[in-house]
Amino acid sequence: EAQVTQNPRYLITVTGKKLTVTCSQNMNHEYMSWYRQDPGLGLRQIYYSMNVEVTDKGDVPEGYKVSRKEKRNFPLILESPSPNQTSLYFCASSLWTSGGAYEQYFGPGTRLTVT
Amino acid sequence: QQQVKQSPQSLIVQKGGISIINCAYENTAFDYFPWYQQFPGKGPALLIAIRPDVSEKKEGRFTISFNKSAKQFSLHIMDSQPGDSATYFCAASGGNQFYFGTGTSLTVIP
Repeated sequence: EAQVTQNPRYLITVTGKKLTVTCSQNMNHEYMSWYRQDPGLGLRQIYYSMNVEVTDKGDVPEGYKVSRKEKRNFPLILESPSPNQTSLYFCASSLWTSGGAYEQYFGPGTRLTVT
Repeated sequence: QQQVKQSPQSLIVQKGGISIINCAYENTAFDYFPWYQQFPGKGPALLIAIRPDVSEKKEGRFTISFNKSAKQFSLHIMDSQPGDSATYFCAASGGNQFYFGTGTSLTVIP
């Protein structure tokens, strides 16, 4: 089954404790992206990647890091989480051409609470 | 600032009615305009998308109307059903980066 998986699905942590949210896709997609969803703000793009070792900042990259060492995986790293990073996070993947990315498939989400 | 503005924030429609959600954008470099549907506890799922070279696209009960000169696009859900109750997001992209609207919570009353 074609899918995007995220782990963990729920996470409660404390300020400053480094964490990683994993994302994996089995569709051989070049493009992967991370979003955060907050009430009244919709989805905002954090980082995206067009292929292995190619990443770029989205609209709200501050406080986050990513890496793309393998095509299927795109982990999101919060090196020093703060309460304002409490949010619902989604990973997505898509085919990519020189024209860009189009139909994105989203994972089930990771609800992060930072106290 | 919000690159894509979406309205209304919430919408209540009777079963069988037409649901209309509107979005507006400013960046003329955007060339892909998708709509996503999200049910509680789930990730968004692509519903329908349009490119600016056409003014309308229809898939079943869902239609996107696109007005390039006004920089607006809208989603029409014909014969709305209770199962359509969800949050809908419009989005715009000019290549690698995506900008989403703030979402519309649709409730279809039986």
